[in-house]
Amino acid sequence: AQKVTQAQTEISVVEKEDVTLDCVYETRDTTYYLFWYKQPPSGELVFLIRRNSFDEQNEISGRYSWNFQKSTSSFNFTITASQVVDSAVYFCALSEANTGNQFYFGTGTSLTVIP
Amino acid sequence: SAVISQKPSRDICQRGTSLTIQCQVDSQVTMMFWYRQQPGQSLTLIATANQGSEATYESGFVIDKFPISRPNLTFSTLTVSNMSPEDSSIYLCSATAGTGDNEQFFGPGTRLTVL
Repeated sequence: AQKVTQAQTEISVVEKEDVTLDCVYETRDTTYYLFWYKQPPSGELVFLIRRNSFDEQNEISGRYSWNFQKSTSSFNFTITASQVVDSAVYFCALSEANTGNQFYFGTGTSLTVIP
Repeated sequence: SAVISQKPSRDICQRGTSLTIQCQVDSQVTMMFWYRQQPGQSLTLIATANQGSEATYESGFVIDKFPISRPNLTFSTLTVSNMSPEDSSIYLCSATAGTGDNEQFFGPGTRLTVL
């Protein structure tokens, strides 16, 4: 079974619009970590955020915000006032404490911001 | 945090040849991993590189095709053997510092094209 599901394969928005990228995860562990990475066309993975399972506080960093809901096993990512430079593939990932730090990646959401 | 470099950054190879990718971390890390990202796809874990012992391979990956070395706590190599066009991918090295927060750092990737 897929441990991390990113149902949105591709999203296009017009610059300055807000956009939310969905991530749903599956785990039986009580201790786990959730991540978001950005992969621009150049290919490198850029770390955006890490959340552990005991911290459900939402986080805001500039135009980025994350909504962690254990009740729905979701860790959604919102970009406010999107910019062309936000165009990239975004990956959500899960790491479980009992699997030796192995990461499970979602299939990614390709975001295109149209000027 | 850890800074990871990979060599080469990209290569174009002929079918049937082998390529060794190097991964260097700027500090000692507990675990190192190798991922493959085929065009337009998510990241798939190939193996965990264990220091001083044989790598642990994921289902679908074998040592004869992807031999891995990890001679110390800061360095690992992945060899893609007897290459075919299906091996054309980005290969990424990653590492965790073992600080308990499961943060995983990624190298910039090696973009391999097999003709």
